[in-house]
Amino acid sequence: NAGVTQTPKFRVLKTGQSMTLLCAQDMNHEYMYWYRQDPGMGLRLIHYSVGEGTTAKGEVPDGYNVSRLKKQNFLLGLESAAPSQTSVYFCASRPFRTSGGTYNEQFFGPGTRLTVL
Amino acid sequence: AQSVTQLDSQVPVFEEAPVELRCNYSSSVSVYLFWYVQYPNQGLQLLLKYLSGSTLVESINGFEAEFNKSQTSFHLRKPSVHISDTAEYFCAVSEKGGSEKLVFGKGTKLTVNP
Repeated sequence: NAGVTQTPKFRVLKTGQSMTLLCAQDMNHEYMYWYRQDPGMGLRLIHYSVGEGTTAKGEVPDGYNVSRLKKQNFLLGLESAAPSQTSVYFCASRPFRTSGGTYNEQFFGPGTRLTVL
Repeated sequence: AQSVTQLDSQVPVFEEAPVELRCNYSSSVSVYLFWYVQYPNQGLQLLLKYLSGSTLVESINGFEAEFNKSQTSFHLRKPSVHISDTAEYFCAVSEKGGSEKLVFGKGTKLTVNP
């Protein structure tokens, strides 16, 4: 299994450009997450999905959109990039926990480093 | 809503010295607790977790953490560090039930010097 993969690994955008980050997982996990990591801020949740076709806002959703058309993929879109969106973006996934079952931790991808000029 | 405070942003230590990375959390319900490690230019890896049962949990590379409910803490310790332990460490909390989202602390950079 490849686990959680992210495409691309690096990207440089100009202000106002758009792009989509792809997260793919081959573990058949129900839950998927997008985080951003900034120096001194830890990881902050942007959006997440609890299953195919569903998405929800996290802590810092403004300026981002997401889609989960297939269970294995979770896309993060920037419609009009801003310098404040310069960050490292991490995707994560975890399996669904049945009632009374053991909590399952999140598995993280390697990250995408995005610079917006 | 839950929150996590990592009291030290940077911790420099010498090789073979003991280290403690502090983590306190706030939540109105029961929680799961985690420590993740991030080596330079890499993603996050789970180091250890507390879900229930014994309050002392251990990792395979010599780290341990103790869940203290009364002090709402989950400090990470290692009795003797190696150069290879140099990394950033993140404490995270997830409330039991609901969406079980993770909330991360801001991280502690551990630098082990020779």
